[in-house]
Amino acid sequence: DAMVIQNPRYQVTQFGKPVTLSCSQTLNHNVMYWYQQKSSQAPKLLFHYYDKDFNNEADTPDNFQSRRPNTSFCFLDIRSPGLGDAAMYLCATSRIGLAGADEQYFGPGTRLTVT
Amino acid sequence: SQQGEEDPQALSIQEGENATMNCSYKTSINNLQWYRQNSGRGLVHLILIRSNEREKHSGRLRVTLDTSKKSSSLLITASRAADTASYFCATGGGAQKLVFGQGTRLTINP
Repeated sequence: DAMVIQNPRYQVTQFGKPVTLSCSQTLNHNVMYWYQQKSSQAPKLLFHYYDKDFNNEADTPDNFQSRRPNTSFCFLDIRSPGLGDAAMYLCATSRIGLAGADEQYFGPGTRLTVT
Repeated sequence: SQQGEEDPQALSIQEGENATMNCSYKTSINNLQWYRQNSGRGLVHLILIRSNEREKHSGRLRVTLDTSKKSSSLLITASRAADTASYFCATGGGAQKLVFGQGTRLTINP
């Protein structure tokens, strides 16, 4: 029944060691999002894909990259994680209608720890 | 930057009481949405209200929207311990993304 799946749920990486987080969806939604959420803060949008079109937020560091090889999968790559990148990473999907942003379906998140 | 401002930042009430959370935003919107987040989990969509709607109900939830004041409220009636969570408002414009408020941490005491 899971609709947005994130793996792994917990990830520990070393300072500077590249890490990839994955997200998959069974909803066939055309938009997929990656958010970073730090403790007691709102989710912060890093980037999103509208079909194959990549949309980066202006303040997303170059250290963060993303890939969407097909409709179902999306990956978040952190090329050189720093201590400040420790956070919960949330993947979400949405079907965009004529009125713009529709409701988003979130995965359970991946908790990233950087040592 | 976050568009939504939520008030209060934290709210603690007794089980059975009603909980009201408020959200203010700055620019024009197509819709406003409320989400719940249990500790350490993803967000769950609760309700969406469009800019031409003033009030919407879903079970024990009631959402109001006042576009002239650029504000919305979420009312949870007859609260339960399971309602303990953080609640976020999010505004949707013409683009594909939402802008989330800072959230209200709601604690329901048994």
